Amino acid sequence: EAGVAQSPRYKIIEKRQSVAFWCNPISGHATLYWYQQILGQGPKLLIQFQNNGVVDDSQLPKDRFSAERLKGVDSTLKIQPAKLEDSAVYLCASSSLEGGSETQYFGPGTRLLVL
Amino acid sequence: GDSVTQMEGPVTLSEEAFLTINCTYTATGYPSLFWYVQYPGEGLQLLLKATKADDKGSNKGFEATYRKETTSFHLEKGSVQVSDSAVYFCALVGGTSYGKLTFGQGTILTVHP
Repeated sequence: EAGVAQSPRYKIIEKRQSVAFWCNPISGHATLYWYQQILGQGPKLLIQFQNNGVVDDSQLPKDRFSAERLKGVDSTLKIQPAKLEDSAVYLCASSSLEGGSETQYFGPGTRLLVL
Repeated sequence: GDSVTQMEGPVTLSEEAFLTINCTYTATGYPSLFWYVQYPGEGLQLLLKATKADDKGSNKGFEATYRKETTSFHLEKGSVQVSDSAVYFCALVGGTSYGKLTFGQGTILTVHP
C-alpha cells in the first residue's frame, strides 16, 4: 500500500513570496490533516478535512494560509505572503479506523525555508 | 486544552542500555495515546498506541502502558540499538478533539556503539 505522498520535499523562498504544497493521502482515507512542525517542537495542527469539508481550522492563520481538498482526495496548502516565521516542516497525514481507534499516517513532509 | 509533556532531552545511551522516556498528559474525556518516531530526514512513523486505561502498546521491543491514575504513557525499551537513534514524540487524541493529534515537544535519542 502506497503511503502519504507530498511534494515538493524542499522549498526555499524569500519573504512575501507565495508557496504551495501538495498532498496525496493513502487511498480510501477520508480524513486528511496538515501539521506545521517548527524546528525543535512537536507538530501542530493547521487544518483537518473530512472528505472535502473542513472539520477544524482554528489554528490556521487565515490571513496568509489557505488549504483546499476539492475532490475529497488530494489537498493543497498555500502560504501568501510568506513570513520568516513560516520556516518549518509541513506534514500531511491521513487516517483510518483500526482496531476501534483512528490511526494517522504521515507523509515525509515539505521543508520550507523563508529568507 | 489538551497537552503533552515529555522529559527534557536529549538522551544519550550506549548500545544495549535500558531506555525510558517519560510522558505525561492533560486531556478531557478519555484520550488515545501514541508514540511516534522520526528518523533523520524522514516523516513521523507510528511506533505504538494504547486506547484505554491499563492497555500496553508494544512494537519493535518498545513498550508503553496507559496509566490513567498518573496520566502517564512512558516509553521503555530493554536494550537499545544504534538504529534506534531518532526523535520520539508522545501524542494524544483527546476525547473531544475529532481526531487531532496533540504532540509533546519530542525527545532526541542518540545511541552510541
